[in-house]
Amino acid sequence: QPVLTQPPSSSASPGESARLTCTLPSDINVGSYNIYWYQQKPGSPPRYLLYYYSDSDKGQGSGVPSRFSGSKDASANTGILLISGLQSEDEADYYCMIWPSNALGVFGGGTKLTVL
Amino acid sequence: QVQLQESGPGLVKPSQTLSLTCTVSGGSISSGGYYWSWIRQPPGKGLEWIGYIYYSGSTYYNPSLKSRVTISVDTSKNQFSLKLSSVTAADTAVYYCARLVNYDYVWGSYRWFDYWGQGTLVTVSS
Repeated sequence: QPVLTQPPSSSASPGESARLTCTLPSDINVGSYNIYWYQQKPGSPPRYLLYYYSDSDKGQGSGVPSRFSGSKDASANTGILLISGLQSEDEADYYCMIWPSNALGVFGGGTKLTVL
Repeated sequence: QVQLQESGPGLVKPSQTLSLTCTVSGGSISSGGYYWSWIRQPPGKGLEWIGYIYYSGSTYYNPSLKSRVTISVDTSKNQFSLKLSSVTAADTAVYYCARLVNYDYVWGSYRWFDYWGQGTLVTVSS
């Protein structure tokens, strides 16, 4: 099954933006998939944030602030979660996910975001 | 508000079968458009999708676990269950049940986990 690569850690200061990446293997074209993003805080289950396919096909989870947004970098075969106006409460682990087929869901390894 | 709650033994011996049940409240498991799922997370590690079931009984399993996993549903009790056989220490994890929203269109499918249980830690140890 495919491996989605996420940097283990990232950090940014309050008020700044954080750009979290999710790189797909070279045999899977990021342009062909919805990229789903989840946030997980310690001791809690993950929370669905959003999905991104394109600027005209994207969706926000219920109650998720608009400062969370998605995009893609086709040249790097990467999905991106952008968090603008960082707040201390955004400190969490973030996971990307794709569904290569009905019979397979794949999570990335997760990125621990630290708000300095 | 939909709520999910996992239940089952917190300790399982190696080579035995792990069994968990997820009880759904605030909504019917027979509602169309949703699949009922299991996900696990080893301590300090990332998430792994295990599989999901539709209320009709159709199942999809992670190929890496398929030979050991069975997911079943009991619509009369509004519950679905996970069985994982021949467990080893590598199966020690927090097990989550979750509702998977699913929309299928001609141009593509959309699926995400919108409601999750709090998770239950299952330790495999003698």
